[in-house]
Amino acid sequence: SAVISQKPSRDICQRGTSLTIQCQVDSQVTMMFWYRQQPGQSLTLIATANQGSEATYESGFVIDKFPISRPNLTFSTLTVSNMSPEDSSIYLCSVGPGNTEAFFGQGTRLTVV
Amino acid sequence: GENVEQHPSTLSVQEGDSAVIKCTYSDSASNYFPWYKQELGKGPQLIIDIRSNVGEKKDQRIAVTLNKTAKHFSLHITETQPEDSAVYFCAVDSWGKFQFGAGTQVVVTP
Repeated sequence: SAVISQKPSRDICQRGTSLTIQCQVDSQVTMMFWYRQQPGQSLTLIATANQGSEATYESGFVIDKFPISRPNLTFSTLTVSNMSPEDSSIYLCSVGPGNTEAFFGQGTRLTVV
Repeated sequence: GENVEQHPSTLSVQEGDSAVIKCTYSDSASNYFPWYKQELGKGPQLIIDIRSNVGEKKDQRIAVTLNKTAKHFSLHITETQPEDSAVYFCAVDSWGKFQFGAGTQVVVTP
């Protein structure tokens, strides 16, 4: 199994600002995914972070709001831009090809005030 | 796209009893079905999974059953303990991505 470290684990941010979340994996992985988990809700896929190409976003999520970087096979960042209280959620990084085990980081709990 | 329904949304069981959570899905091409346990303040943890060529898989007190014809799979926890209290999510692999169920809050009372 892969070990995934996310930073920060939590943050309280002012509306209108941006936060960048880092995801580090202890081994090289082909695909990395970013999820959002709103309070009391399930996980919703934001995008797939592809190494060497632009991220692939799911319906309802756009690059301007959630820019993603994937500079190598062990690291990715997700930025939540121009934040509003509605962005208060847990953001989770995940690794694993689609047809096998997926492992998650511990998540970043974001509160926007 | 894939549609995953999970029931029940909450489940309260006495310690020592069994708990069963069921998920249904819509895409007959899906072939990988994991279950995750999420404790408060933590990320989801994979607890068991099953692939479409298998009907049942067991790991100590946890088991998963799959009915591909009916397109549903279930998580079974036997001899429940207080540490089993958590939110459980099913997921379905849909064209290389996971679609998650809504989650089940399991409370095990002593």
